[in-house]
Amino acid sequence: EIVLTQSPGTLSMSPGERATLSCRASERVAGDYLAWYQQKSGQAPRLLIYDASIRATGIPDRFSGSGSGTDFTLTISRLELEDFTVYYCQQYGGSPLTFGGGTKVEIK
Amino acid sequence: EVQLVESGGGLVQPGGSLRLSCVASGFTFSDHYMAWVRQAPGKGLEWVGRIRNKANSYITEYAASVKGRFTISRDDSKNSQYLQMNSLKSEDTAVYYCARVSDYGSFFDFWGQGALVAVSS
Repeated sequence: EIVLTQSPGTLSMSPGERATLSCRASERVAGDYLAWYQQKSGQAPRLLIYDASIRATGIPDRFSGSGSGTDFTLTISRLELEDFTVYYCQQYGGSPLTFGGGTKVEIK
Repeated sequence: EVQLVESGGGLVQPGGSLRLSCVASGFTFSDHYMAWVRQAPGKGLEWVGRIRNKANSYITEYAASVKGRFTISRDDSKNSQYLQMNSLKSEDTAVYYCARVSDYGSFFDFWGQGALVAVSS
């Protein structure tokens, strides 16, 4: 099973700043098949990025994904108030499908 | 508009059973793989399992934590998938999300609002 470790656990930022979230895999993710989700309190997750770097439909371009192999990054170029919430990565290059433990982006 | 609506959640005693349903609309349900993902209170996301489409023989796959206890099925004529949960344990307490598997890979492009399952005596 591929274990995904997200860091930091909590990121304290100010609106307008650039946020960088990390997702590290315990082994290479085949095909760089990695997705990112945003989850607001009390809501279902929302797909942001798939195939490591492709934005899902309707996702603002301030969200970008990068990385390959075992190291992946979600970058939010300029944080808006609605972006302060929790983010998860998920790999689908191997079975079972696995998620990271999440990163919470909070207002400093 | 794609919609996924879960139902059937509730309180059940340890060792009991429960069946969740998910009704889909806004897309050709029969074409898609479908999945269940759960989230224990205050915790992260955990993939439960998925079911392939008819073209792929409705093959099912499960997480190790639920294999042998949970069964996923679907009825394409009703645009629905189901999660039969048996031998429930306290650690199965979670919000269970129905999710559509994307055409482009085994990630989840649409999610339901979730159904809460609480296992407690």
